[in-house]
Amino acid sequence: AQSVTQLGSHVSVSEGALVLLRCNYSSSVPPYLFWYVQYPNQGLQLLLKYTSAATLVKGINGFEAEFKKSETSFHLTKPSAHMSDAAEYFCAVSSLGFSGGYNKLIFGAGTRLAVHP
Amino acid sequence: DGGITQSPKYLFRKEGQNVTLSCEQNLNHDAMYWYRQDPGQGLRLIYYSQIVNDFQKGDIAEGYSVSREKKESFPLTVTSAQKNPTAFYLCASIRTPNTGELFFGEGSRLTVL
Repeated sequence: AQSVTQLGSHVSVSEGALVLLRCNYSSSVPPYLFWYVQYPNQGLQLLLKYTSAATLVKGINGFEAEFKKSETSFHLTKPSAHMSDAAEYFCAVSSLGFSGGYNKLIFGAGTRLAVHP
Repeated sequence: DGGITQSPKYLFRKEGQNVTLSCEQNLNHDAMYWYRQDPGQGLRLIYYSQIVNDFQKGDIAEGYSVSREKKESFPLTVTSAQKNPTAFYLCASIRTPNTGELFFGEGSRLTVL
């Protein structure tokens, strides 16, 4: 079975500060990992994904994440926070490629990021 | 522009009433999904459909029903049997071939009065 744990339901940073959102996963097969962002009352948008290629993945809006198998982690970072980064962020794991055509994503509970001036 | 359109954006219903949420996509995606989102719980899968005229229950299908008569459309009915229907509902589809990336609609917020 797969699962995702996001540490910290709320994270607050100052504008210009480092953003670090934590995600740990559990998977019995090599995982595919994703970060999605959700702005208020909107759907989710893909930020970045890891699909067994490079372990450091760059995404949109200056975000990146590093896959660390030994730590079963996939933390999301951004060097300098912007006010527009305030949103909810979801980490997700999938066994894409190992479960046939059905792609089931398991989502974490989400981390709400607040950015203060 | 291609995308997923959900309607209505906001919906109020009285207890005991069924309500249908619309989801239409023009991305030519084969698979479509319905998720329910509650604060602090992430997204939970209600139903999914990989092809027309076929759909499967997800993790929380009780009290919901779906149909997939056309590739572009995957409506969700929230029935009176759903004990706690107030939530934000998200429809999604997946790119073919399967890359693992879900495309989401903007969601429908259902409130039961």
